[in-house]
Amino acid sequence: EAGVAQSPRYKIIEKRQSVAFWCNPISGHATLYWYQQILGQGPKLLIQFQNNGVVDDSQLPKDRFSAERLKGVDSTLKIQPAKLEDSAVYLCASSLYPGQLSTDTQYFGPGTRLTVL
Amino acid sequence: GDSVTQMEGPVTLSEEAFLTINCTYTATGYPSLFWYVQYPGEGLQLLLKATKADDKGSNKGFEATYRKETTSFHLEKGSVQVSDSAVYFCALTDSSYKLIFGSGTRLLVRP
Repeated sequence: EAGVAQSPRYKIIEKRQSVAFWCNPISGHATLYWYQQILGQGPKLLIQFQNNGVVDDSQLPKDRFSAERLKGVDSTLKIQPAKLEDSAVYLCASSLYPGQLSTDTQYFGPGTRLTVL
Repeated sequence: GDSVTQMEGPVTLSEEAFLTINCTYTATGYPSLFWYVQYPGEGLQLLLKATKADDKGSNKGFEATYRKETTSFHLEKGSVQVSDSAVYFCALTDSSYKLIFGSGTRLLVRP
């Protein structure tokens, strides 16, 4: 079974530029998550999708970050304009369905390391 | 809100030593508890999980027991290997099934 795919793996941009990340979850997984992991910290949830609807985006800085999940499969996360403090690893994860003990495990992709200069 | 606290690292051990990484949590309700591992240059991988009190999760020689009375989920391994060198994250799922992570503990195992 293929895992969660993300691209690009690395991205370097200047502040005030825009950037987009792509995620393809495990086939059949209804729930998709985007996390931000700043160096030396644990991942922090940015947004959670259930199929193509947003379940939780309470920690997404909506003035500069946006995300979509068209057709309930792939997802993109965009930052526009980027700030220095956005330098982090952006992780995508998926799970079958939250709320059921046997299916709430989240599987993570390799992440995209963003450096903002 | 819910939170996870882990012991600070790095933890440096010699090969075949006994490992304990402490993790305590604060949560309303009955969260599931997880340990994830991040090897250098790789993404997070689920190491083990426990879904209710007194459950023991185990994988690859690692174990952790869900202790509701002490709100803990300490990670243990009887004999570590150099290949276990990684960052270990303790996490829980809150009432909305969102994962909340600790800050991570780096483990360095010397030959």
